[in-house]
Amino acid sequence: QSALTQPASVSGSPGQSITISCAGTNSDVGSYNIVSWYQQHPGKAPKVMIYEVSERPSGVSNRFSGSKSGNTASLTISGLQAEDEADYYCCSYAGGNHWVFGGGTKLTVL
Amino acid sequence: QLHLQESGPGLVEPSETLSLTCTVSGGSVSSGSVRGKTYYWAWVRQPPGKGLEWIGTVYYTGNTYYKSALQSRITISVDTSKNQFSLRLTSVTAADSAIYYCARLRSPGDFDYWGQGTPVTVSS
Repeated sequence: QSALTQPASVSGSPGQSITISCAGTNSDVGSYNIVSWYQQHPGKAPKVMIYEVSERPSGVSNRFSGSKSGNTASLTISGLQAEDEADYYCCSYAGGNHWVFGGGTKLTVL
Repeated sequence: QLHLQESGPGLVEPSETLSLTCTVSGGSVSSGSVRGKTYYWAWVRQPPGKGLEWIGTVYYTGNTYYKSALQSRITISVDTSKNQFSLRLTSVTAADSAIYYCARLRSPGDFDYWGQGTPVTVSS
């Protein structure tokens, strides 16, 4: 159960779009359409932004979208806003009722 | 609105046992399956300055699922009468120092509700 691989950091200017990748294996991301993404502001609990690869919970902005290709999932944030600056984590089902998170990506809004 | 709250000691000595409880309000740990979704209860930890780590999950029936690397040291249990679930981690070391979050796992997809987290330091 190795952690999923995310870039340590990404950045973008307000209004721009950014994409965060989440690389897994054919034992987790590649085998299940059960990938979720979490936003975590400093000192706060994580908040789910995307579930089941591309589903958005009620109340989450449609600027957030998710996708998957092969063993890699992606989170795209369009129309970047200052409030989007946070850490983002992907998470995948890994079979046998086990779950694995990514190492996290720090998003900086320039 | 579902609310989860962790409680327990913030300081544990090395080689001792870490014990935390998550109290659920606004809903029931016995929810099981509702409208096509199945609900489990989970513990996730975050070492200082590091990422999230799923460590284990319990279903209201008592069925448990643990991160393989912690299998020999971890016990998660549920008390439906108190609407709580608990974590026990034995033989702790400094590597177990982390913020411990309890969360609801909405199968098949995601951890949809989280507690605020409780910091635990392993030190003498």
